[in-house]
Amino acid sequence: SQQGEEDPQALSIQEGENATMNCSYKTSINNLQWYRQNSGRGLVHLILIRSNEREKHSGRLRVTLDTSKKSSSLLITASRAADTASYFCAPFDFGNEKLTFGTGTRLTIIP
Amino acid sequence: EAEVAQSPRYKITEKSQAVAFWCDPISGHATLYWYRQILGQGPELLVQFQDESVVDDSQLPKDRFSAERLKGVDSTLKIQPAELGDSAMYLCASSVGPGSNQPQHFGDGTRLSIL
Repeated sequence: SQQGEEDPQALSIQEGENATMNCSYKTSINNLQWYRQNSGRGLVHLILIRSNEREKHSGRLRVTLDTSKKSSSLLITASRAADTASYFCAPFDFGNEKLTFGTGTRLTIIP
Repeated sequence: EAEVAQSPRYKITEKSQAVAFWCDPISGHATLYWYRQILGQGPELLVQFQDESVVDDSQLPKDRFSAERLKGVDSTLKIQPAELGDSAMYLCASSVGPGSNQPQHFGDGTRLSIL
């Protein structure tokens, strides 16, 4: 399985601080996507980084990808209470052509 | 922004009963996915449609689960008979196409509880 594995499983920080979440995966990917899920809601697509990209930005989000280490990280800068959610990485497997989700990182922003 | 619509939001039923979920994807999205998400875990793909055709149902328990997308637009997922282990969130998602660079748009899911 190409399931991404997020680390840490849970993270609590003060509002205004930066939050970093990591993701590792096992085999070749076409791209890697990050999603957010608020409690009781569906997932929301945040950012997609292709296998030939090393870094991508979107607003307060910064994603890096290191294909040699099969890892990715998501940085949220200047966190806000509204960022409280679970964050999932989803590698897109080059072979079976589908997304697989890990168990996620549960982020809590303390006001 | 257009959303993926799912109903019902919540469903409570007894084991051995039949249950059905409905999904209306974003207009124009050819690819539709059904996922199951157990509490504390990430979504697991059950079935993927391209228009009205199933392209991946390898993880769908076919003895009790069925899915259809007859006109290539909205879709129904059914469970019969339901078992206690089916309690989970059932999420529907859609994308413009099946390509790897297409983000998926999710509905808010149906929370199923089996008594």
